[in-house]
Amino acid sequence: DAMVIQNPRYQVTQFGKPVTLSCSQTLNHNVMYWYQQKSSQAPKLLFHYYDKDFNNEADTPDNFQSRRPNTSFCFLDIRSPGLGDAAMYLCATSRPGRSSYNEQFFGPGTRLTVL
Amino acid sequence: GENVEQHPSTLSVQEGDSAVIKCTYSDSASNYFPWYKQELGKRPQLIIDIRSNVGEKKDQRIAVTLNKTAKHFSLHITETQPEDSAVYFCAPPLSGTSYGKLTFGQGTILTVHP
Repeated sequence: DAMVIQNPRYQVTQFGKPVTLSCSQTLNHNVMYWYQQKSSQAPKLLFHYYDKDFNNEADTPDNFQSRRPNTSFCFLDIRSPGLGDAAMYLCATSRPGRSSYNEQFFGPGTRLTVL
Repeated sequence: GENVEQHPSTLSVQEGDSAVIKCTYSDSASNYFPWYKQELGKRPQLIIDIRSNVGEKKDQRIAVTLNKTAKHFSLHITETQPEDSAVYFCAPPLSGTSYGKLTFGQGTILTVHP
């Protein structure tokens, strides 16, 4: 089945130790998003790729970076995780229609714990 | 940017009752209005959406109504079941982007009591 896959599902890291989360998709969607979701809050968009074009949200900390080496894969790098970065990280994809919006398909998420 | 407000923040109903969640947005140019459901510990999933050229859309027990003049749209769930218990988010996109950069509402926690 076509889907959005995130690895790992659970990640534990130490304060200040770099961590990379990965997302892959078999939907062949050209847009990929990274969201941060803290407990009892809505998902917050960090950045997204439209094909190879990277779009950063204005309030996304510099500590967060992303890479998209090809259509199928996208990575979230957290250079120096702080305690406040502990959250669920959701990857999503979409294929926009011509002048229209379309459904975003979310992966299962990676829960990040920072010790 | 888009300001989105969702009400109520929590909603508790008995099985079989109806539930209504309202989302108010600020951008009069918005033309796409989705609702996402997120069960505990799971991913958000689109359950219904509507575009600005229609006023109502129905899919079995769920429906969405749109009032563009008043800038709000609502999710209606009839004959609620315990499996409807989840957090529901409205997520109208920011206008000015030609594709789905969603603005999530704060979420409504729906609890359906058996």
